[in-house]
Amino acid sequence: SYDLIQPPSVSVSPGQTVSISCSGDKLGGKFASWYQQKPGQSPGLVIYEDKRRPSGIPERFSGSNSGNTATLTISGAQAMDEAEYFCQAWDSRAVLFGGGTKLSVL
Amino acid sequence: QEQVVESGGGLVKPGGSLRLSCVASGFVFSDYDMHWVRQAPGKGLEWVSYITSSSSTIYYADSVKGRFTISRDNARNSLYLRMDSLRAEDAAIYYCARGGGYSYGDAFDMWGQGTMVTVSS
Repeated sequence: SYDLIQPPSVSVSPGQTVSISCSGDKLGGKFASWYQQKPGQSPGLVIYEDKRRPSGIPERFSGSNSGNTATLTISGAQAMDEAEYFCQAWDSRAVLFGGGTKLSVL
Repeated sequence: QEQVVESGGGLVKPGGSLRLSCVASGFVFSDYDMHWVRQAPGKGLEWVSYITSSSSTIYYADSVKGRFTISRDNARNSLYLRMDSLRAEDAAIYYCARGGGYSYGDAFDMWGQGTMVTVSS
């Protein structure tokens, strides 16, 4: 079966840049999306089609996808960015989510 | 305001059945593919099922295939998930999510608040 692998947790200091990876076989050949989920809330879309931002998502959120790895980057992280982040892609007739990465802004 | 609202969750015994509903408002429901996604307490997201706008194509996760049935009624702006032969591992918050359509492609651009399903004797 196809899996998307994310690190369980990452941390960043306020104002610094952090990247979260999502690895899967030939993931670069698929479209990757990213979701942010804060405690007690539903997930929300922050990146789609590898690098596009929905309206209302701050410019500090960016994405890339090449080879076997998709990456979500937050440039100038803020306390409000502390959340869990999930990557997502389609594989044939199924949708896959990564296991999630908890971002701490310390 | 565009939104989807789930209902129908609750406590059910192992082997039992439940039907979840999701009502859409603020957008043309019949234009969008829809999904069910679940999240067990303290765990990650797990995709459950997908249905196209016309119901012509349906997919299921292997973990629910043969037990769950997705359907929709575009006249009622509603999405459903019939869950049979429920197991303890099916306990989760179940989210209704909208497929991204022309604007957001493969992504899920709208999520409901979720409905909790508990499976316990």
